[in-house]
Amino acid sequence: GEDVEQSLFLSVREGDSSVINCTYTDSSSTYLYWYKQEPGAGLQLLTYIFSNMDMKQDQRLTVLLNKKDKHLSLRIADTQTGDSAIYFCAESMTGFQKLVFGTGTRLLVSP
Amino acid sequence: GAGVSQSPSNKVTEKGKDVELRCDPISGHTALYWYRQSLGQGLEFLIYFQGNSAPDKSGLPSDRFSAERTGGSVSTLTIQRTQQEDSAVYLCASSQTVTNEKLFFGSGTQLSVL
Repeated sequence: GEDVEQSLFLSVREGDSSVINCTYTDSSSTYLYWYKQEPGAGLQLLTYIFSNMDMKQDQRLTVLLNKKDKHLSLRIADTQTGDSAIYFCAESMTGFQKLVFGTGTRLLVSP
Repeated sequence: GAGVSQSPSNKVTEKGKDVELRCDPISGHTALYWYRQSLGQGLEFLIYFQGNSAPDKSGLPSDRFSAERTGGSVSTLTIQRTQQEDSAVYLCASSQTVTNEKLFFGSGTQLSVL
């Protein structure tokens, strides 16, 4: 079955890099996503990666995918207090948006 | 509209009552999804609609849950005879098509069943 796992909590200091990790079990996953949820708000798509890619960079965000180990990570460079939020990893199969989400990682950025 | 709109933002109800949650997707988006976010849990898929096709109801947790989408736009999620375990944030999302990689989420309805 499908299962997506994340660590629950990460604390970093402002200016440091943050790395949020995710493991998934469904080898047929084609799209892997990172969503951000701020307090009282819905989820905001940050970035996504196709399973045939190893890395994707978008400004301060770097996504790394190890398909062999079914491991996905999100690196946030120069983390700011405004990055404090819950980050969800999600997977889906080709052409179908029934996303399977992880439990989310709460990122706390201290000044 | 500019984004996905959900109402009410908060709903408190008594156990055993029925509730209706509303979602207004982004104009022109043909795919609409309902997810549930329970405290300390990830997001749980409930149901999705794509155009005029039959909805995928595989995620609905029990027959007390149902959803409709009228005119290919607004959707209503109905929970009958609510139970305390139904307390959660119910999130709606839409995308241009079911194969579009970008989901846009609403802010959710916080449901509390007393």
